[in-house]
Amino acid sequence: DIVMTQSPDSLAVSLGERATINCKSSQNVLFSVNNKNSLGWYQLKPGQPPKLLIYGASTRVSGVPDRFGGSGSGTDFTLTISSLQAEDVAVYYCQQYLAVPITFGQGTRLEIK
Amino acid sequence: QVQLQQSGPGLVRPSQTLSLTCAISGDSVSSNSAAWNWIRQSPSRGLEWLGRTYYRSEWHDDYAASVRSRIIINADSSKNQFSLHLSSVISDDTAVYYCAAGWSFEIWGQGTPVTVSS
Repeated sequence: DIVMTQSPDSLAVSLGERATINCKSSQNVLFSVNNKNSLGWYQLKPGQPPKLLIYGASTRVSGVPDRFGGSGSGTDFTLTISSLQAEDVAVYYCQQYLAVPITFGQGTRLEIK
Repeated sequence: QVQLQQSGPGLVRPSQTLSLTCAISGDSVSSNSAAWNWIRQSPSRGLEWLGRTYYRSEWHDDYAASVRSRIIINADSSKNQFSLHLSSVISDDTAVYYCAAGWSFEIWGQGTPVTVSS
């Protein structure tokens, strides 16, 4: 199984400041057929289903604010929120979908400082 | 636009079978490019993928090892829906269960909180 490890487990950032969440996979998640990383980022808020923010490690889903950005390749990835807003308080998960079983990181709780 | 609507009971007795259905609108369960997944979320486990089914000239399914001996995911083309059946449930199966579409999960159902209790 591909193990996904996020850091930190929790994070407190001031409004308007940058938030950075890291994700490391135990194996390379680059899909050789299209040369894209099979890596997604999700936002989970209480009482709502998870929301896909980023796929292919860096492609933002339509309608997601451009303050959300994804980067990285191979085994190391980052989700950056450039200017934290109050509505960004949530738990964030990375996910690999290269291989079965599809696996998620343990989650990073993001709060306002 | 693809939408998923979940249905099923929120309370299941221990040792019984948990059954949930996900009705699809805006796409076909038999699409040759789609995949249909079940995921659960709990405070102790976070997000856990359970399995998926997809059609490529014939039906295929993949399951997580943690539930492989107890799970069946099947599709009903006549009703354009797919279902989760998890047998011999225990209290540790208490979670919010979601269906989701795609290879990365672009579309999610609304979620069904399921409690395993007598």
